[in-house]
Amino acid sequence: EAQVTQNPRYLITVTGKKLTVTCSQNMNHEYMSWYRQDPGLGLRQIYYSMNVEVTDKGDVPEGYKVSRKEKRNFPLILESPSPNQTSLYFCASSYYGVTTEAFFGQGTRLTVV
Amino acid sequence: AQRVTQPEKLLSVFKGAPVELKCNYSYSGSPELFWYVQYSRQRLQLLLRHISRESIKGFTADLNKGETSFHLKKPFAQEEDSAMYYCALRGGSQGNLIFGKGTKLSVKP
Repeated sequence: EAQVTQNPRYLITVTGKKLTVTCSQNMNHEYMSWYRQDPGLGLRQIYYSMNVEVTDKGDVPEGYKVSRKEKRNFPLILESPSPNQTSLYFCASSYYGVTTEAFFGQGTRLTVV
Repeated sequence: AQRVTQPEKLLSVFKGAPVELKCNYSYSGSPELFWYVQYSRQRLQLLLRHISRESIKGFTADLNKGETSFHLKKPFAQEEDSAMYYCALRGGSQGNLIFGKGTKLSVKP
């Protein structure tokens, strides 16, 4: 089944403790992206990647890192999480191009205390 | 810079009433516009895209380049249409995907 898989689905952590949220897709998509969803603010893009080893900042990259060493994986790294990073995170992937449909993961709800 | 604006955070209508969710965009070139929907506790999924010019679940959207709008319409709302709706834009040579803030549609019985 074609899908985008995020792990974990839920995570509660403490301020400053490094964490990684994984995202994997099995559709051979070139494009992958991370968004955070907050009430009243919608979906804001954190980072995106157009292909392996090609990443770029979105609108809210501060406090986050990404890597794209393989085409199927696009992990989101929080080196030193803070409470303002408490949010619902979504990973998305698609084929390269402006007309293509993006497929989303099921979301990761992160709470930083 | 590319931007998508959805002016309404919440839209509440009664079943059977017409619905229009507004979306305006800012982009210097010729973007592709999409509507994505998120039902309660589910992942986002594509509802429709401009290039397909299709009607999905009774929803349609027309791209108005003069007004830079891509409003989503449905003549008769159903309770199962209650969801979060996001307008999105892809532009540039590579197609980065940018979203508006979303509109929560609530259809009352």
